Amino acid sequence: KQEVTQIPAALSVPEGENLVLNCSFTDSAIYNLQWFRQDPGKGLTSLLLIQSSQREQTSGRLNASLDKSSGRSTLYIAASQPGDSATYLCAGLRNTGNQFYFGTGTSLTVIP
Amino acid sequence: GAGVSQSPSNKVTEKGKDVELRCDPISGHTALYWYRQSLGQGLEFLIYFQGNSAPDKSGLPSDRFSAERTGGSVSTLTIQRTQQEDSAVYLCASSPSGTPRETQYFGPGTRLLVL
Repeated sequence: KQEVTQIPAALSVPEGENLVLNCSFTDSAIYNLQWFRQDPGKGLTSLLLIQSSQREQTSGRLNASLDKSSGRSTLYIAASQPGDSATYLCAGLRNTGNQFYFGTGTSLTVIP
Repeated sequence: GAGVSQSPSNKVTEKGKDVELRCDPISGHTALYWYRQSLGQGLEFLIYFQGNSAPDKSGLPSDRFSAERTGGSVSTLTIQRTQQEDSAVYLCASSPSGTPRETQYFGPGTRLLVL
């Protein structure tokens, strides 16, 4: 079974700071990896999807990288804003099967 | 356009009662997923529907859990004889055709509390 770990579990930073969220997975046989954002009381919003053949994806202030050999993905947030405060989840889809394996998330607070 | 909707948004029930949770996927999406998010834990896959194919039920935790999808659209997740450990947020997601290259679109979830 795929194990997905996210570090840190919680992070508090001042506005404007650049930050990195980490995701590690035990099974390198992943097809793709996604980063999601979850706001309190709401569902998940997909931020970035990285196919196994790719190494990174960028969207605005967000950049996600994937290193299958080391079983790691990072989400880089540049110039953080209070509106970035949310829980960030990474999820990996294995080469076989239909299910995503989710990490437990990193709760981010950006202080104005 | 409308996203994935789920009802009810909150459900409180007594131990031993049955509950039904509903998911309306995005119109035209053939793939539908159910997940469970327990307090302090990651999302746990429950079941996957793709078109008219037999569903992937490999994530259902016990035979008290079942799900159906009528007409390839709306899905209902049923939990029989609820237990306190069933308390969680149940999330539904859909995607256009269920291929791994697609993102999944999530609903807001149903928060279930079993007393």
